[in-house]
Amino acid sequence: DTEVTQTPKHLVMGMTNKKSLKCEQHMGHRAMYWYKQKAKKPPELMFVYSYEKLSINESVPSRFSPECPNSSLLNLHLHALQPEDSALYLCASSPWASGTYEQYFGPGTRLTVT
Amino acid sequence: SQQGEEDPQALSIQEGENATMNCSYKTSINNLQWYRQNSGRGLVHLILIRSNEREKHSGRLRVTLDTSKKSSSLLITASRAADTASYFCATDARQAGTALIFGKGTTLSVSS
Repeated sequence: DTEVTQTPKHLVMGMTNKKSLKCEQHMGHRAMYWYKQKAKKPPELMFVYSYEKLSINESVPSRFSPECPNSSLLNLHLHALQPEDSALYLCASSPWASGTYEQYFGPGTRLTVT
Repeated sequence: SQQGEEDPQALSIQEGENATMNCSYKTSINNLQWYRQNSGRGLVHLILIRSNEREKHSGRLRVTLDTSKKSSSLLITASRAADTASYFCATDARQAGTALIFGKGTTLSVSS
């Protein structure tokens, strides 16, 4: 199974809401990533988890809170977001946290903050 | 800031023609990867080329790497309508090679 799944596919939330994005992979990969992608822009790295520990946080605002409950799951908890946070949120995984390996991407969650 | 800069930003061709996209980067790398993204979807890995390699092929794809010029090119031969997508190069210069940084991308449109 070489698939990364993400739920939900679409999410609309108000600025006072709390929601979570979920990502799952069953490839035994030890690195998982969250990216944010605005329209017509490249993906921007947000967080990297390596062996279930947060290894990179690209100065992401605290209203985004990642969590890695186990080696197959990655969550992104959202709270008090701003309209400019509306974007496609992509999850990816790779065997290890190294640019030597290809990353497998999920289809993304399209987030709209109203 | 992005490490890679793709050129051109947009490319429109007819089916059967070849498409060439270029990527330039700023700092030394170990590996360079190319990804494809269909509209609003996840990215799909196409090919990885290591810094000690100069050329790599995969099906209709040909990638070259010139580390002296800090540039790479992706050639898609005999393009098809299904090749319509955005193409990104990604380098591993970031965070001691543990993460990828993506270039701005080239949007390819192939018409039949």
